[in-house]
Amino acid sequence: DADVTQTPRNRITKTGKRIMLECSQTKGHDRMYWYRQDPGLGLRLIYYSFDVKDINKGEISDGYSVSRQAQAKFSLSLESAIPNQTALYFCATSDPGRGGDTQYFGPGTRLTVL
Amino acid sequence: DAKTTQPPSMDCAEGRAANLPCNHSTISGNEYVYWYRQIHSQGPQYIIHGLKNNETNEMASLIITEDRKSSTLILPHATLRDTAVYYCIVRVATNTDKLIFGTGTRLQVFP
Repeated sequence: DADVTQTPRNRITKTGKRIMLECSQTKGHDRMYWYRQDPGLGLRLIYYSFDVKDINKGEISDGYSVSRQAQAKFSLSLESAIPNQTALYFCATSDPGRGGDTQYFGPGTRLTVL
Repeated sequence: DAKTTQPPSMDCAEGRAANLPCNHSTISGNEYVYWYRQIHSQGPQYIIHGLKNNETNEMASLIITEDRKSSTLILPHATLRDTAVYYCIVRVATNTDKLIFGTGTRLQVFP
């Protein structure tokens, strides 16, 4: 079974709709992240959380919100989706122990906003 | 901005070693070198990381020069499934900042 799962894997929605992307992990990591990737570009950080009570904005948080419901769950919401939020969204987890902070990524959610 | 420089693309014959270079001339003493790869639209996959010494795991070897200004990722026996974009990243371990992936090297393994 995958350590980091994302649901849904694909979603098509309309402008103005509220969308929630969910991420769950079984790695037992405290740190979780949401990234987006646009075609031909690298990943950009949206939000990150170091534990259940900690939420931090990344470089492109406008238009997004998050909820850390538990250590294992981190959700990303688009309150009113717009077409330029069409992208591939990745959740990741990490554990900064043992001399590194390796991030483990989920399979991604492909979101299309019409 | 990415702190690393990688060639945009490389080819490698199946079964041969793939050597992917990375320049990180401004690396700081407390920054690690990480390698990730992304196979067509899948989630990035961690490969290996190191600070000073060369590292090896079941996937690859990482060779870091003595001055730490460059490194090479070695896939000892490339397979078609190794075709992917490979990202070299430098960052401080336990840093709160994002991973800066840059544009990476697109490795094409051919039969």
